[in-house]
Amino acid sequence: SQQGEEDPQALSIQEGENATMNCSYKTSINNLQWYRQNSGRGLVHLILIRSNEREKHSGRLRVTLDTSKKSSSLLITASRAADTASYFCATVMEYGNKLVFGAGTILRVKS
Amino acid sequence: ETGVTQTPRHLVMGMTNKKSLKCEQHLGHNAMYWYKQSAKKPLELMFVYSLEERVENNSVPSRFSPECPNSSHLFLHLHTLQPEDSALYLCASSQDRWTGTSGGTYNEQFFGPGTRLTVL
Repeated sequence: SQQGEEDPQALSIQEGENATMNCSYKTSINNLQWYRQNSGRGLVHLILIRSNEREKHSGRLRVTLDTSKKSSSLLITASRAADTASYFCATVMEYGNKLVFGAGTILRVKS
Repeated sequence: ETGVTQTPRHLVMGMTNKKSLKCEQHLGHNAMYWYKQSAKKPLELMFVYSLEERVENNSVPSRFSPECPNSSHLFLHLHTLQPEDSALYLCASSQDRWTGTSGGTYNEQFFGPGTRLTVL
């Protein structure tokens, strides 16, 4: 079964609002990564957070990691129409270089 | 541009055809991956090559045959596919550092644009 599961499955917001997506996983991890995919295209890496880190920022993106709850969140602030995409969390388990993806959250930002 | 290219971008083939997908990374990475993305299913890891050696074969049917001739190139050879094999096939690469059989530093993966495969 998949390691990471995102919540919600779909999210629709107005431009300028913040978008929050959550990810839960089952086993101990080496790191957790967030990716974006525009329709039918390749994935683009957004942020990697390691198991000993709690929060990371990149531009308008903020990722938190709570290893005690086995969960992570991705916050996109001041969203733009161009942020419309699918967002995936993926985990690398504690031992191994295998990246396991969740089903993703479809984000739609309306202008 | 992520530094990972894939050809062809679109492929239509019959069930009796033989074709190959090609991936090339220009990033100097030491690991390469094939993924399959089907509609309404999570991205599935198919194969992992680390330092040109296959280290992961995720119970993929033998009609898919990977080849990694060097650290920059990865192929996926296809033969006698089924219609359910129609999907987006994604290649990725990463630069990882292994500290033994059970540990290491694993970094972000860079994905190519994918090959949209349709099996008739």
